Amino acid sequence: ETGVTQTPRHLVMGMTNKKSLKCEQHLGHNAMYWYKQSAKKPLELMFVYSLEERVENNSVPSRFSPECPNSSHLFLHLHTLQPEDSALYLCASSQGPGTGKETQYFGPGTRLLVL
Amino acid sequence: GQQVMQIPQYQHVQEGEDFTTYCNSSTTLSNIQWYKQRPGGHPVFLIQLVKSGEVKKQKRLTFQFGEAKKNSSLHITATQTTDVGTYFCAGLAGNNRKLIWGLGTSLAVNP
Repeated sequence: ETGVTQTPRHLVMGMTNKKSLKCEQHLGHNAMYWYKQSAKKPLELMFVYSLEERVENNSVPSRFSPECPNSSHLFLHLHTLQPEDSALYLCASSQGPGTGKETQYFGPGTRLLVL
Repeated sequence: GQQVMQIPQYQHVQEGEDFTTYCNSSTTLSNIQWYKQRPGGHPVFLIQLVKSGEVKKQKRLTFQFGEAKKNSSLHITATQTTDVGTYFCAGLAGNNRKLIWGLGTSLAVNP
């Protein structure tokens, strides 16, 4: 499946580093999402963008900063992370909230380890 | 707040046995979706149920949506090792049509 791609696939960073995760969707969708998946925890929705506008921000710490320059690209900028931020970060896209076509298509994820 | 409970959290079966996972919502849902995540992989969409009492089948998988549109189930007949993974339900709820995820059921199949 190449509809939604994410880079890098793996990332190890120190707590003082700054890094960015990238997501790109080739499905012509209008909405993009960032999820955090930790072991033995449910999928946590972090951010939702619809038509490049942030429509949802679920109390995510400011050390995570999303950016959506257009409907095909989504970034997650990371700075001064904590070890508990280590997780699988999944990007997804859909036709868009409220369209009746909220089926989400996920990228392969970035596995992040914060040391 | 709106919640979707999913049980069981884990299930270990012998190959050939049946398996069922259940989702229960605290509120009426517009639709419910099911996803499968293989170990080391990402969630992949399986199916969407929209109508009250709807039943859909995909080969050995049977999906049901309750009459009240608050619960759903996924039943796998005669499990195979390829069925291993975590099965998530996600319900669409509220006027804001927010997708609410269940915790997932992890299925292990002994060959």
